[in-house]
Amino acid sequence: NAGVTQTPKFQVLKTGQSMTLQCAQDMNHEYMSWYRQDPGMGLRLIHYSVGAGITDQGEVPNGYNVSRSTTEDFPLRLLSAAPSQTSVYFCASRRTSGNQETQYFGPGTRLLVL
Amino acid sequence: GDSVTQMEGPVTLSEEAFLTINCTYTATGYPSLFWYVQYPGEGLQLLLKATKADDKGSNKGFEATYRKETTSFHLEKGSVQVSDSAVYFCALSKGGGGNKLTFGTGTQLKVEL
Repeated sequence: NAGVTQTPKFQVLKTGQSMTLQCAQDMNHEYMSWYRQDPGMGLRLIHYSVGAGITDQGEVPNGYNVSRSTTEDFPLRLLSAAPSQTSVYFCASRRTSGNQETQYFGPGTRLLVL
Repeated sequence: GDSVTQMEGPVTLSEEAFLTINCTYTATGYPSLFWYVQYPGEGLQLLLKATKADDKGSNKGFEATYRKETTSFHLEKGSVQVSDSAVYFCALSKGGGGNKLTFGTGTQLKVEL
């Protein structure tokens, strides 16, 4: 049981480049989400999914796309990277029953956009 | 909208000192409250949680009590260790809408010998 895994751990992009941040979980959790962490701002929700084929926007969705074709995977795509997207990105998952369930976080992807 | 406010850090303590990290929240209804901890270079881990008023969450010597009358969930530990050095996040969650977590900005704790 690996929990929540994320790849890559670190990435440098040039402005305008595209890339996909990978996230996978092996706990059969319905709910998955992406957060970005910036200094002095805590974690902010980008997109989330309550199950395969269902996604929705969070607090800061602009510039990011997601899809959920399987229960296990929830990739985050940057179509045209901007310096403002320099951040640490965390993927999380949990069961969807009630609001008492624990969210499990991946180790994060550190992204630098030049 | 919902929000969480934490005391600003960094907080620097000597080993075996008493720790308090303040957290207050604004939310309608009855949120669940959480403390997450982030050790250097790692993701967030759940430290403790409380799901209704007057509940006390506890783990690894840390405690926090859900106070609805003061909308607070302060984190305390009686005797901190160097290994407790980390960033601590207070968060809330409400049912519906995907059960999203709303985080505070985090408080960095440094414990010195």
